[in-house]
Amino acid sequence: DQQVKQNSPSLSVQEGRISILNCDYTNSMFDYFLWYKKYPAEGPTFLISISSIKDKNEDGRFTVFLNKSAKHLSLHIVPSQPGDSAVYFCAASARTSGSRLTFGEGTQLTVNP
Amino acid sequence: KAGVTQTPRYLIKTRGQQVTLSCSPISGHRSVSWYQQTPGQGLQFLFEYFSETQRNKGNFPGRFSGRQFSNSRSEMNVSTLELGDSALYLCASSLGLAGGPGNEQFFGPGTRLTVL
Repeated sequence: DQQVKQNSPSLSVQEGRISILNCDYTNSMFDYFLWYKKYPAEGPTFLISISSIKDKNEDGRFTVFLNKSAKHLSLHIVPSQPGDSAVYFCAASARTSGSRLTFGEGTQLTVNP
Repeated sequence: KAGVTQTPRYLIKTRGQQVTLSCSPISGHRSVSWYQQTPGQGLQFLFEYFSETQRNKGNFPGRFSGRQFSNSRSEMNVSTLELGDSALYLCASSLGLAGGPGNEQFFGPGTRLTVL
């Protein structure tokens, strides 16, 4: 049962444009959401997070949006840079039922110069 | 501050053998979680240790086990290796139990295990 799904295995955008990565979840108990970035041969790096009491969190070029009614979150990267090319994972946790993180399958983002 | 370190980085074993992987968390972090990553899959949660106690466990067979020491370092053991155990094993540490604000997980580079 895949509780966190990233339906797009890959995304390609031009440098300077906006990258939008999407994530859907099924567990309504999830109350904390995170995005991680992973380069080859490295472990995932924490990017940005959002609590279920918010619908938006911004950090520099990265903004995460949460739509609780649709059980959907998205990561916007503006402007996209070639160095952003990596695999992006969304993750969720439900503090009321344990603290484990459930990850999506990842989306490979390629930013073309 | 040094990051999460994992040893070894690469490992080749044969079916039926057992393997032990090691993880040293960021100084001051008390929680260590282990994940398995295989091609086409996300990160599959194995287990989480906090204060030397297993706090959470994923859906993996009993061949996968772990422990945490008093200095928060953790080891993961896989017995009777199968071909399907070939994967990248990632360790992550956090200040407290993972998942909430202020307890974001920081990952190590992983151990690439190949089972022949």
